Amino acid sequence: KQEVTQIPAALSVPEGENLVLNCSFTDSAIYNLQWFRQDPGKGLTSLLLIQSSQREQTSGRLNASLDKSSGRSTLYIAASQPGDSATYLCAPEHTGTASKLTFGTGTRLQVTL
Amino acid sequence: DVKVTQSSRYLVKRTGEKVFLECVQDMDHENMFWYRQDPGLGLRLIYFSYDVKMKEKGDIPEGYSVSREKKERFSLILESASTNQTSMYLCASSQGFSNQPQHFGDGTRLSIL
Repeated sequence: KQEVTQIPAALSVPEGENLVLNCSFTDSAIYNLQWFRQDPGKGLTSLLLIQSSQREQTSGRLNASLDKSSGRSTLYIAASQPGDSATYLCAPEHTGTASKLTFGTGTRLQVTL
Repeated sequence: DVKVTQSSRYLVKRTGEKVFLECVQDMDHENMFWYRQDPGLGLRLIYFSYDVKMKEKGDIPEGYSVSREKKERFSLILESASTNQTSMYLCASSQGFSNQPQHFGDGTRLSIL
């Protein structure tokens, strides 16, 4: 059974810092890995999807990498802003499970002024 | 933009009641999902559907059922609500082919008294 761990569970950084969020998963047989953002009391917003054949995906100040063989993904946020404050979740899609995702418990990020 | 709409943001029901949570998506997506989210446990999949009238159990289907009579609508039913079903419920949808991101609604916070 796929298990997903996100470290750290919470992180507080001053505005402008670059930061890295980590995600590890136990089963490397995945189609892709998705990163989401969740604001308090809200649903999830899709940020990036990295296919198993890819090593990186970029969207604006966000860059996600994937090392499938070692079961790791990172989300890099450049020049953080207070608006980046949210919980970030990663979710690999296991092969043979047809779009089913397994979620980590997330990293709660606070960017302070 | 994809819009996934959940019928209620907040809902309070009593133990033993039959509860219906409704979800509608406007992008003709084949796949639809119901999750619940609890502190420390993350998102867990209850049921999903690949097509009209089709449903598959997720990781925690006990005490729930679903209905998908039309492609755009996916309903979650709590047959006889219990206090341990107090949770945040999230609906999501995605296109039917591989490597497509899931799109989430804003969630329904359900309290069972």
